[in-house]
Amino acid sequence: GENVEQHPSTLSVQEGDSAVIKCTYSDSASNYFPWYKQELGKGPQLIIDIRSNVGEKKDQRIAVTLNKTAKHFSLHITETQPEDSAVYFCAALYNFNKFYFGSGTKLNVKP
Amino acid sequence: EAGVTQFPSHSVIEKGQTVTLRCDPISGHDNLYWYRRVMGKEIKFLLHFVKESKQDESGMPNNRFLAERTGGTYSTLKVQPAELEDSGVYFCASSQFLSSGNTIYFGEGSWLTVV
Repeated sequence: GENVEQHPSTLSVQEGDSAVIKCTYSDSASNYFPWYKQELGKGPQLIIDIRSNVGEKKDQRIAVTLNKTAKHFSLHITETQPEDSAVYFCAALYNFNKFYFGSGTKLNVKP
Repeated sequence: EAGVTQFPSHSVIEKGQTVTLRCDPISGHDNLYWYRRVMGKEIKFLLHFVKESKQDESGMPNNRFLAERTGGTYSTLKVQPAELEDSGVYFCASSQFLSSGNTIYFGEGSWLTVV
């Protein structure tokens, strides 16, 4: 199977600063890597994803990078805002039918 | 279009009781998944339905957990009898075929507390 590790478990930044969350995966066959944002009392919402044939993807203030050789991928949030505060999960799709998730990063953006 | 809906949103039960969680996937999604997150841990896979068939149930913790998907539409996850360690949030997700570049969509979760 797959093993996904996520760091850090908590991250506190000042509003306007950047935040970076990193994940590593173990199975080189994994080929799709989504990121989810979970706000308090809600389910995880997809915010950005990347496939293994792409090295970087950007959507406004959010970007994801993938290094297939090193088997790690990262979420970058620039110009953070208080509403970015949430728990973020990375995931890796294994064998086209099962997602493995990281343990989550609690991001706190201080105004 | 309605998203994945789950019921109940919150449930508090006593150890030894039974709880049944329900999930309605997005219309047209053949794939339905159950996941669980225990406080502070990762979101863990429980099982995967393709239509009414169990594709993979390797993540089910033990035989106190029973999942069904009658007619390939909604799904239920029953815990009987519930134990303290079953507390957590149970997420349902659905998708079209993942090999075609689709992703999964989560419901809001059913937050279970066993006391």
